[in-house]
Amino acid sequence: GQQVMQIPQYQHVQEGEDFTTYCNSSTTLSNIQWYKQRPGGHPVFLIQLVKSGEVKKQKRLTFQFGEAKKNSSLHITATQTTDVGTYFCAGAGYNFNKFYFGSGTKLNVKP
Amino acid sequence: EPEVTQTPSHQVTQMGQEVILRCVPISNHLYFYWYRQILGQKVEFLVSFYNNEISEKSEIFDDQFSVERPDGSNFTLKIRSTKLEDSAMYFCASISWIVGNEQFFGPGTRLTVL
Repeated sequence: GQQVMQIPQYQHVQEGEDFTTYCNSSTTLSNIQWYKQRPGGHPVFLIQLVKSGEVKKQKRLTFQFGEAKKNSSLHITATQTTDVGTYFCAGAGYNFNKFYFGSGTKLNVKP
Repeated sequence: EPEVTQTPSHQVTQMGQEVILRCVPISNHLYFYWYRQILGQKVEFLVSFYNNEISEKSEIFDDQFSVERPDGSNFTLKIRSTKLEDSAMYFCASISWIVGNEQFFGPGTRLTVL
């Protein structure tokens, strides 16, 4: 079946350093969504990418969708302690019947 | 701001017992989902529901699981005979579809099977 892999599993950074997490799907996705889950919390939607090669920015966060629509990345510039949490990508097939979540990248930011 | 609600927040049950987890999706949303997350692991899709019927289910969603939307408001997940390995956080989510495709997650129900 379809799999979505995400690396790295963990990332520890010093506040102010950059952070990137990568997401790879075994099959082409119609779109990809990114979520953030704070410790003890629920996933919170960050963004959706639909077009091949799409790049979107939200303040210090930059999201990319690969040309083949099989991979994606999230880059955070100058991390802050408020960025702590687990970041998940979630790919959808060509309808929204099912979302395939990546394994997540747990980000820890040291002040 | 509208939000997805879930009850109870924590459910403790004995192995073999039936549990019903309840969710109230955001009003006017059309697509509903159940996910589970074993502690420290990824979010796993269980089932999606649209137009009063199951759209898709995963391999996890076997005959022990069922979903219902009994009154146009609540969306329930029933586990008929719980197993130890059913212990997890269960999240409900909904999508508007008309306005957008972002999933709004509820706060979750932590299920502990003893």
